[in-house]
Amino acid sequence: DIQMTQSPSTLSASVGDRVTLTCRSSQKIRSWLAWYQQKPGKAPKLLIYKTSTLESGVPSRFSGSGSGTEFTLTISSVQPDDFATYYCQEYNNYSTFGQGTKVEIK
Amino acid sequence: QVQLVESGGGLVTPGGSLRLSCAASGFTFSDHYMAWIRQAPGKGLEWVSYISPDSSSLSYADSVKGRFAISRDNAKNSLYLEMNSLRVDDTALYYCARAGVQWLGAPYFDSWGHGVLVTVSS
Repeated sequence: DIQMTQSPSTLSASVGDRVTLTCRSSQKIRSWLAWYQQKPGKAPKLLIYKTSTLESGVPSRFSGSGSGTEFTLTISSVQPDDFATYYCQEYNNYSTFGQGTKVEIK
Repeated sequence: QVQLVESGGGLVTPGGSLRLSCAASGFTFSDHYMAWIRQAPGKGLEWVSYISPDSSSLSYADSVKGRFAISRDNAKNSLYLEMNSLRVDDTALYYCARAGVQWLGAPYFDSWGHGVLVTVSS
C-alpha cells in the first residue's frame, strides 16, 4: 500500500506569509495527486488535482507542484480564510490521504 | 450547483447494520463515478468505496471489504452504502462524494456532501 506523509503536522503563519506544505508518497504516483482544504465542522473542499491544476473557483494564491514522490502546496500570501487543515490524496492506484497539515494563526 | 445530501446515520451496536443514502442534484448523476469517504472523530480522511456510473465497477478499502456494499439508483439520483457487521472503529462521519473526471487508477473527489454520523457503540 502507498503511504502519504504530510509535513509539517502544524504550521503557524501570519496573514500575508508565503507557506509551503509538503506531501511525500512511499511510491511514485506520477502526477496523480490532489489537495483538499477542510475547515472545522465542514466537508473537505477540492483545491488542486493532477498535482497543479487549480479547481474552478479556487483563488490563484494556491498552487501545487511536484512529481514522482514529493509534492508541495503553496499559498503565496495567506489570507484569514486560509486557516484550515490541508490534506493531500494520491489517486494513482488506491486513493490514500495524508494525515493532514493544520495551518494556524501565529 | 452540485448538492449531495447524506442520510441514514445513527447509533448502532457492534455487529449491527445500517444503510446510508445520498441524494444528488445539480448535475447528471448517471455520468459520474461516486464514492463514500469517512472521517473518524478528530482524525483524517479514509476512502471507503466507489462505484462506476453503470454500477459495473465497484471498489472497497480493505478495512470494509466483505462488510460494506455500495450501490446506486440512477433513476433516483441516489447513492447508497449498506454497512454490515459494524465495528467500533467504523465510527465516523461518512461523506458522499462525486469523483472528478481526470483520473486513472482511482478517483479524486470534486464535490462533497456535509456528511452523516455513524456511531458504533454498545
